Amino acid sequence: GENVEQHPSTLSVQEGDSAVIKCTYSDSASNYFPWYKQELGKRPQLIIDIRSNVGEKKDQRIAVTLNKTAKHFSLHITETQPEDSAVYFCAASYRDDKIIFGKGTRLHILP
Amino acid sequence: DGGITQSPKYLFRKEGQNVTLSCEQNLNHDAMYWYRQDPGQGLRLIYYSQIVNDFQKGDIAEGYSVSREKKESFPLTVTSAQKNPTAFYLCASSRGRERSYNEQFFGPGTRLTVL
Repeated sequence: GENVEQHPSTLSVQEGDSAVIKCTYSDSASNYFPWYKQELGKRPQLIIDIRSNVGEKKDQRIAVTLNKTAKHFSLHITETQPEDSAVYFCAASYRDDKIIFGKGTRLHILP
Repeated sequence: DGGITQSPKYLFRKEGQNVTLSCEQNLNHDAMYWYRQDPGQGLRLIYYSQIVNDFQKGDIAEGYSVSREKKESFPLTVTSAQKNPTAFYLCASSRGRERSYNEQFFGPGTRLTVL
């Protein structure tokens, strides 16, 4: 069935280092892959997304890569800062406007 | 952050009572969604609607009901049949109609506690 797997569930990195979060999806028909950031007590907000006709997209310190063959996509954050601490969710779109989310990764930036 | 609102922010309910959570959007979006968020469980889809007067069950629809009588509104009722209703509920909307760019915008959420 429709599923999005996300790893790791928790990630701690030293400030200034890079963080990588990985997701896999089950339906090869998925064509849109957003990433959301949720700070404590706040609503999720879109930080970057990628469509299936693109292999990589970058926005300042954030990048996303997509491997359609492997049904795998990843979020890369470089030069991490304290304000990057949050929960990050990947997601994949399916038919009928349905979007399925991963279970989230709690990212801790260590001083 | 504006454009989609939820009320109330906190809600307390006694066991056996139904309760309705409000969700309104002024973004002219066709699609609306309800998610439940529990610690370590991510965002689980309860119901979604692509268009007025139509909606589909998500992964955890049991014990919940929705209506979509107006484009702007998508209320969620948590019924007494929901075994474990205490959670954080998020409403979202998107342009929908299976457009290729389908960013979801989230409301601020309602935290429901069953006493």
